[in-house]
Amino acid sequence: NAGVTQTPKFRVLKTGQSMTLLCAQDMNHEYMYWYRQDPGMGLRLIHYSVGEGTTAKGEVPDGYNVSRLKKQNFLLGLESAAPSQTSVYFCASSYVTDYEQYFGPGTRLTVT
Amino acid sequence: DQQVKQNSPSLSVQEGRISILNCDYTNSMFDYFLWYKKYPAEGPTFLISISSIKDKNEDGRFTVFLNKSAKHLSLHIVPSQPGDSAVYFCLTGNTGKLIFGQGTTLQVKP
Repeated sequence: NAGVTQTPKFRVLKTGQSMTLLCAQDMNHEYMYWYRQDPGMGLRLIHYSVGEGTTAKGEVPDGYNVSRLKKQNFLLGLESAAPSQTSVYFCASSYVTDYEQYFGPGTRLTVT
Repeated sequence: DQQVKQNSPSLSVQEGRISILNCDYTNSMFDYFLWYKKYPAEGPTFLISISSIKDKNEDGRFTVFLNKSAKHLSLHIVPSQPGDSAVYFCLTGNTGKLIFGQGTTLQVKP
């Protein structure tokens, strides 16, 4: 099993550009999450999904959109990137509730 | 207003000694308590958790203590090993609202 994978690993965007980060899990987990990690701030929840076709806002959802069209995939979109979105993005999944989340390796995004 | 705080950004201990990492939270209704470990350039990995009805859970060298009246969670690592050097995050909250602490960087010196 690959676990949780994230594509791409690194990306540099110019302000105003758009992009989509892909998260895939092969553990048949119901719950999936997108976090961002910034220095000194831990991981903050952007959006999450409790099942295929559902999404919900987390702590810092502004400027991001998500979709969960298939159970194994959770996409994070930035429609118009801003320098404040420079961060490391982590995807995670869990079987039920929020317990024992399994994380991907992260995507380092720089917006210039 | 930070609901979950790890007040020590870093901790350095000698190999073989005890490492104690602390986490304080503000909401007495929180009922999930977990610790994650993170190496550079990797995602966090689950380390240990504790049920809200217990005050101690042990797994090998790792023990988590929960003091609900003080709203305090701690992780003890005994004996500490150089491979334990990583960033440790506490995670607490309720279903649908889990909050990570800011992390504590542990360095275990040989």
